[in-house]
Amino acid sequence: DSGVTQTPKHLITATGQRVTLRCSPRSGDLSVYWYQQSLDQGLQFLIQYYNGEERAKGNILERFSAQQFPDLHSELNLSSLELGDSALYFCASSPGTSGRKETQYFGPGTRLLVL
Amino acid sequence: KNQVEQSPQSLIILEGKNCTLQCNYTVSPFSNLRWYKQDTGRGPVSLTIMTFSENTKSNGRYTATLDADTKQSSLHITASQLSDSASYICVVSGGSNYKLTFGKGTLLTVNP
Repeated sequence: DSGVTQTPKHLITATGQRVTLRCSPRSGDLSVYWYQQSLDQGLQFLIQYYNGEERAKGNILERFSAQQFPDLHSELNLSSLELGDSALYFCASSPGTSGRKETQYFGPGTRLLVL
Repeated sequence: KNQVEQSPQSLIILEGKNCTLQCNYTVSPFSNLRWYKQDTGRGPVSLTIMTFSENTKSNGRYTATLDADTKQSSLHITASQLSDSASYICVVSGGSNYKLTFGKGTLLTVNP
């Protein structure tokens, strides 16, 4: 158990809908990262927040947005969902900004299925 | 463009045998290289992290090597166990903001 929690574990929804994924980092970690993992793409970095502020942006679509709250939990919002958004979404956390040798601790993931 | 290429894509070995997984990268500037183990349907777990000056790092039966000149890394698994069956992902940190670039992973299957 990494100490990172994600809810829900599974999510089934329809195209065009909007969903919110939630992540609670390990106690004391200030950085939260979101990743998407689909079968043919491997892990794709979406976005990083550090202490409430956006720190780095990866391949995140405009239909997706995220935020980190004062209690450091984070939410990833996915809107106008398409079939291709079906994937595993992972959240990870680390103590600082992960620039040097920080380990990122991954949560168990949320499996999203868009029908 | 920053890229991480892993080989082989998949590998099947017998329990107790050794194996070596390869990772080539083009990330620049380079900060560090990580190996993760990911069991099916679960989040990745860090095995090793190496910086430019580190040539080798061990974590139990896992030994990672890094050649920063040729931009290659390998992960050697000794005396494999059934529980080693997983995807092994090479990740390189570097570029602007120390972004992580992920390889697609090597799927290792250890058979009894």
